[in-house]
Amino acid sequence: QSALTQPASVSGSPGQSITISCTGTSSDVGGYNYVSWYQQHPGKAPKLMIYEVSNRPSGVSNRFSGSKSGNTASLTISGLQAEDEADYYCSSYTSSSTHVVFGGGTKLTVL
Amino acid sequence: QVQLQESGPGLVKPSQTLSLTCTVSGGSISSGSYYWSWIRQPAGKGLEWIGRIYTSGSTNYNPSLKSRVTISVDTSKNQFSLKLSSVTAADTAVYYCAREDPDTVTYDYWGQGTLVTVSS
Repeated sequence: QSALTQPASVSGSPGQSITISCTGTSSDVGGYNYVSWYQQHPGKAPKLMIYEVSNRPSGVSNRFSGSKSGNTASLTISGLQAEDEADYYCSSYTSSSTHVVFGGGTKLTVL
Repeated sequence: QVQLQESGPGLVKPSQTLSLTCTVSGGSISSGSYYWSWIRQPAGKGLEWIGRIYTSGSTNYNPSLKSRVTISVDTSKNQFSLKLSSVTAADTAVYYCAREDPDTVTYDYWGQGTLVTVSS
């Protein structure tokens, strides 16, 4: 069982917006602004999409945005496109000795 | 542009030691204040942090694997390595090496991943 809880799957139609949640505890998501989101296409390495809750690395589309409330972080993708279909993982710094924890991943299907 | 590439055997027998190397190109492994990490992903499952090393040699390991894991660095070769002992089928996974930015606790560069299967 992963330390951070994500829905197993979400779906949306092209052009729509979707939100993926990532729930942790006050020892990780709720206690620090070190939440990141990664996109992973089949057979590929994860790609950093959001860091420090809501910051986008250079080159990442502004259709991707992040936020946090309490122990839950969220990734929102607006204007869904076919190429957004992938698995998405959240991660957070944790005060436990594991240093970083990941979510179980969410499969995004673009209908 | 920093690039990472994993290498090592794709098949390891149960009870033996899994050994992988990550070669860093496009920059010196010693430059900047980065950690060099190993992360694994069993088929169809999520990501698991294994551990990390700083170029000083300082390491941190996942407590669930700590008794079996050793991560080392060879700055002269711009490489860092993973050894996981006493492997079982549960250690079958895609193993990734990645660069961690400790200021943001993010993995900004990843290797392509290498599948390691534990089987006799």
